[in-house]
Amino acid sequence: GENVEQHPSTLSVQEGDSAVIKCTYSDSASNYFPWYKQELGKGPQLIIDIRSNVGEKKDQRIAVTLNKTAKHFSLHITETQPEDSAVYFCAASKGDSGYSTLTFGKGTMLLVSP
Amino acid sequence: DVKVTQSSRYLVKRTGEKVFLECVQDMDHENMFWYRQDPGLGLRLIYFSYDVKMKEKGDIPEGYSVSREKKERFSLILESASTNQTSMYLCASRELAGGISSYNEQFFGPGTRLTVL
Repeated sequence: GENVEQHPSTLSVQEGDSAVIKCTYSDSASNYFPWYKQELGKGPQLIIDIRSNVGEKKDQRIAVTLNKTAKHFSLHITETQPEDSAVYFCAASKGDSGYSTLTFGKGTMLLVSP
Repeated sequence: DVKVTQSSRYLVKRTGEKVFLECVQDMDHENMFWYRQDPGLGLRLIYFSYDVKMKEKGDIPEGYSVSREKKERFSLILESASTNQTSMYLCASRELAGGISSYNEQFFGPGTRLTVL
């Protein structure tokens, strides 16, 4: 089955800096890569996703890049703010049916210091 | 907004007890999921259901069962709770649109933190 590795496990940055979280996947058939953000005491929430026919996607201060050849994808957060502090999960799936499931990475705890 | 609710935020049970975790979604989603979340291990899929009365094993189904008698409700059952089932349990739902739901967002509940003594 699919295996998703995520690094780093913790990341501390100063407010205004950029943050990058990297994930690799093992199944070359995977074609859908979402990122979820989990704030303290809440369930994860989708923040951005990318499909394998696209190399990069942006939404304001966040962006995701995908390298299918190397089987890795990354989350980029620019101009970080204290409210970006949370646990971030990457995931991968084969989006080919109504029965596919997500395989999640182990998560990255991002701490943004004022 | 989609709302996924879980019956308890915190639950404490004894070893050997039968435990029911309930999840309800209000958006008529076909797919529902149960995950457990442990530090350093991320989210691991226990079971999922793609429709009423349908269920599929996830990556770690041992020691768990599920029930989906109504579309909006998905229950996780621990037949005989053990200490290694102490964890955070997350429920999620996903819309099936046009037969392809894989690209659709999963909406998560707030989680139930279960402690088995």
